[in-house]
Amino acid sequence: SQTIHQWPATLVQPVGSPLSLECTVEGTSNPNLYWYRQAAGRGLQLLFYSVGIGQISSEVPQNLSASRPQDRQFILSSKKLLLSDSGFYLCAWSPGQGSEAFFGQGTRLTVV
Amino acid sequence: QKEVEQNSGPLSVPEGAIASLNCTYSDRGSQSFFWYRQYSGKSPELIMFIYSNGDKEDGRFTAQLNKASQYVSLLIRDSQPSDSATYLCAVNGAAGNKLTFGGGTRVLVKP
Repeated sequence: SQTIHQWPATLVQPVGSPLSLECTVEGTSNPNLYWYRQAAGRGLQLLFYSVGIGQISSEVPQNLSASRPQDRQFILSSKKLLLSDSGFYLCAWSPGQGSEAFFGQGTRLTVV
Repeated sequence: QKEVEQNSGPLSVPEGAIASLNCTYSDRGSQSFFWYRQYSGKSPELIMFIYSNGDKEDGRFTAQLNKASQYVSLLIRDSQPSDSATYLCAVNGAAGNKLTFGGGTRVLVKP
């Protein structure tokens, strides 16, 4: 069966510090991968999605970036965090075009 | 115009009643539609998916799709307190790879 791992579960970082969140999927190949952010009490904002290694689509201009160095690995990064980067970050995968997505446990990021 | 829109609620329903949730989307070429449930502090979990116009039933849940009106709905029958959560509508765009979520509707089921 397929599983998705996302870590860490919680993170407190100072303003201006770098960020690296990692997500890996097991039990499938060539999945679509997604990064979402959810502000408190709000919906999911799509940040990046990827249909293959090195193929990244960015949805929101900001100080975040994403990379997919391996088929089942998706990384969210920032060089310098802002207070507004605080939120609940969710990684998800889907089997392919038109399919449903399955989420990791999420990372709650607080920038102080 | 937001790509996927939902009423934020809260939608308060008595236990045993029917909860009706609505969602509209802007991309007329969208092909697949999903409903997720999210408990506070947790990640979303898939409840239903629907691809064709009409109704689709799964237990106490019924999803309805009307592509001409760009409208998706979810009915929860015999609502239980454990159904209290935020329900997220998600739409896969015409290309099939971009999954966009609405803002969610918070549902409160009162005993």
